[in-house]
Amino acid sequence: AQSVTQPDARVTVSEGASLQLRCKYSYSGTPYLFWYVQYPRQGLQLLLKYYSGDPVVQGVNGFEAEFSKSNSSFHLRKASVHWSDSAVYFCVLRTGANTGKLTFGHGTILRVHP
Amino acid sequence: EAAVTQSPRNKVTVTGGNVTLSCRQTNSHNYMYWYRQDTGHGLRLIHYSYGAGNLQIGDVPDGYKATRTTQEDFFLLLELASPSQTSLYFCASSDYQTQDTQYFGPGTRLLVL
Repeated sequence: AQSVTQPDARVTVSEGASLQLRCKYSYSGTPYLFWYVQYPRQGLQLLLKYYSGDPVVQGVNGFEAEFSKSNSSFHLRKASVHWSDSAVYFCVLRTGANTGKLTFGHGTILRVHP
Repeated sequence: EAAVTQSPRNKVTVTGGNVTLSCRQTNSHNYMYWYRQDTGHGLRLIHYSYGAGNLQIGDVPDGYKATRTTQEDFFLLLELASPSQTSLYFCASSDYQTQDTQYFGPGTRLLVL
C-alpha cells in the first residue's frame, strides 16, 4: 500500500535561515509527488510538483524540492525563509492514475521566528 | 484561479443530528473531492466525483454520503452525526487535464457534541 511519511511534525527556524522539510514515500508504481502548503485559516495550495526528468523542481516563493528514487524521498528546501512562510506543509503522492486521488502525509508545521 | 467556496464555515450539531456540508466551484472542473483533516492524520479522502451524478468512494467513507448535483455543486451528508466526525472538512476541485492541481476551499469546521 502507498504511504507518505513526514518525520518532522514541527520545525522551527529563524528568519533568514535555510530550510529542509523531509518526506519519504512508499509506492510500487511511478511516483508523482507534490508539496502543498496550508497557511493559517486557509485551504491548501499547490507549492510544486514532480512528474519526471530533472530531480530538482522549482516552486513558488523560492521553494524547491529534490526527488530521489534510490532514497524514496522528496525533500522540500528553501535557501532563506521569511516569517510569512510559517504554515503547514504537506508532502503528497498521487496514487490514482486517472482519478486525481492523492495520498497526503501528516504535514509538518513550520514556524519561522522573525 | 479556480474558486471553491464552502458553507457553512462553522457548524455545531449534536450526536445523531443531520448535517449537510456544501461546496461550489465556479470553474466547471470535472473532479471534486471531500476531505477531512485531523491532527496526526493529514488529509483523508472521504468521497470524490468525476462529474454531475457520479460518486466515487474514498479512503474513509464510513458514516458519510455525498451527492454531486451539478458540475459546480458537491454535497457531503452526515445523516447520523457522531463525535468522531468532529473535524475540519475541505472540498477541492480539479480539472481533468491538470487533475493533480487541486484547488481547495477554505474549510468547514464541524463540531459534533
